[in-house]
Amino acid sequence: AQTVTQSQPEMSVQEAETVTLSCTYDTSENNYYLFWYKQPPSRQMILVIRQEAYKQQNATENRFSVNFQKAAKSFSLKISDSQLGDTAMYFCAFMSLYGNNRLAFGKGNQVVVIP
Amino acid sequence: EAGVTQSPTHLIKTRGQQATLRCSPISGHTSVYWYQQALGLGLQFLLWYDEGEERNRGNFPPRFSGRQFPNYSSELNVNALELEDSALYLCASSLGRARSPLHFGNGTRLTVT
Repeated sequence: AQTVTQSQPEMSVQEAETVTLSCTYDTSENNYYLFWYKQPPSRQMILVIRQEAYKQQNATENRFSVNFQKAAKSFSLKISDSQLGDTAMYFCAFMSLYGNNRLAFGKGNQVVVIP
Repeated sequence: EAGVTQSPTHLIKTRGQQATLRCSPISGHTSVYWYQQALGLGLQFLLWYDEGEERNRGNFPPRFSGRQFPNYSSELNVNALELEDSALYLCASSLGRARSPLHFGNGTRLTVT
């Protein structure tokens, strides 16, 4: 089974600054998907960004970008120009391409944006 | 477009009772997933339904069960509730195709006393 590890429990960042969240995963598969979800106090899990392992180019969505290092099995998220609405728990997740559509989540990182 | 909706928002039960949680997927989505988010344990996969069939099950006892209706909505039933079942239960939906992104609802907070 795949495991996803996030090791920075809580991070604070000043508004407009940049914060980077780290994620590592363990898999024997060559092709898979990786995701970052955010969970604000409203509790809804919101998809932030998705990366397909067979694509070398790092995914970008507006102020959110990833650094995908396949050989190192590392998938970090960079939030640029942080905004107050970015305050949330951020979860890294892995999905196999083979069969069960199951997302394996890390334990999450709490990000607090300070005005 | 309406998102994934879950009801009730909060549910309080006593140990030994049964709980029923409901989920309506995004229109056009045929797959529904249930996850448990307990304090300190992160999100744990419970069940996956697609086209009315249970496709995959996580490592949970049989007292966790569910079903998917012809309109693709879903119920999660938890029998013989235990204190450690207290958690946020999140439902997600996706297109039936493999590897489609999951879209989550706001969850049902179940408290067992």
